[in-house]
Amino acid sequence: SQQGEEDPQALSIQEGENATMNCSYKTSINNLQWYRQNSGRGLVHLILIRSNEREKHSGRLRVTLDTSKKSSSLLITASRAADTASYFCATEGNAGNMLTFGGGTRLMVKP
Amino acid sequence: GAGVSQTPSNKVTEKGKYVELRCDPISGHTALYWYRQSLGQGPEFLIYFQGTGAADDSGLPNDRFFAVRPEGSVSTLKIQRTERGDSAVYLCASSLAVGGAEQFFGPGTRLTVL
Repeated sequence: SQQGEEDPQALSIQEGENATMNCSYKTSINNLQWYRQNSGRGLVHLILIRSNEREKHSGRLRVTLDTSKKSSSLLITASRAADTASYFCATEGNAGNMLTFGGGTRLMVKP
Repeated sequence: GAGVSQTPSNKVTEKGKYVELRCDPISGHTALYWYRQSLGQGPEFLIYFQGTGAADDSGLPNDRFFAVRPEGSVSTLKIQRTERGDSAVYLCASSLAVGGAEQFFGPGTRLTVL
C-alpha cells in the first residue's frame, strides 16, 4: 500500500516556470526522499531531507518538510524541457529501512 | 562506476511458469531492496536484505514470491506459478548503509505474464 499521496497527479507548465509538487504521508518518518523517474524505469535520487530538517536546497530544487502536517513539497525553479518526468516522494519510517512511495506527479515541461 | 544492474530487462512468460529476476547491486553496498511498480503507480516494497539475510520480507504478496542473496551481493527474486497480476516492473535498489541513506535503483525488469 502507498504511504501517501502526491498532489497534483499531473502538472503541465512552460519552460522557465516553476513547478511545485506536494506530498502527504501518514506515519512518523526518519526521512523523506524525492526521486525522479523517466519512462517508467529506474528511479534517480534527487534529495533527502531528515525529520529534523525543515528545508533543503540542491541546485534548482528546494524541498520543505512539515512533520506537524506530515507533508513535503518539491519546488523546481526555472524548469527545463528535460525536467519532464514523474516525481515521487518516498518516506523511510522509524521501524524499517524500506521506502514507502507516493503515487507520483507526472510533470510535463513544454519548450 | 557501475550502478545497479538488473537482468533480464524484459521477461515475457506464460501463466503458471516460474521466473527468476536478477539484481547486481553496487559493489560494497550492504543493503539490497526489491520493489514492484505497477503502471501509473509508485513502487511498492517487497523485501530487503542486510548482507545475506532477509531483514524484512513483509512486502512479499504471498508465498509464490521468494528472494535470496546467498553471498551478500547478487540477489535473485523468484516467482513461482506466475499469475497475470504479477505483471509489473520489478525494481532493485542498493544502499551503502542501512537506514538514512540514498537508495540507488536499477533500471528494472519488466515482467509480463500472458
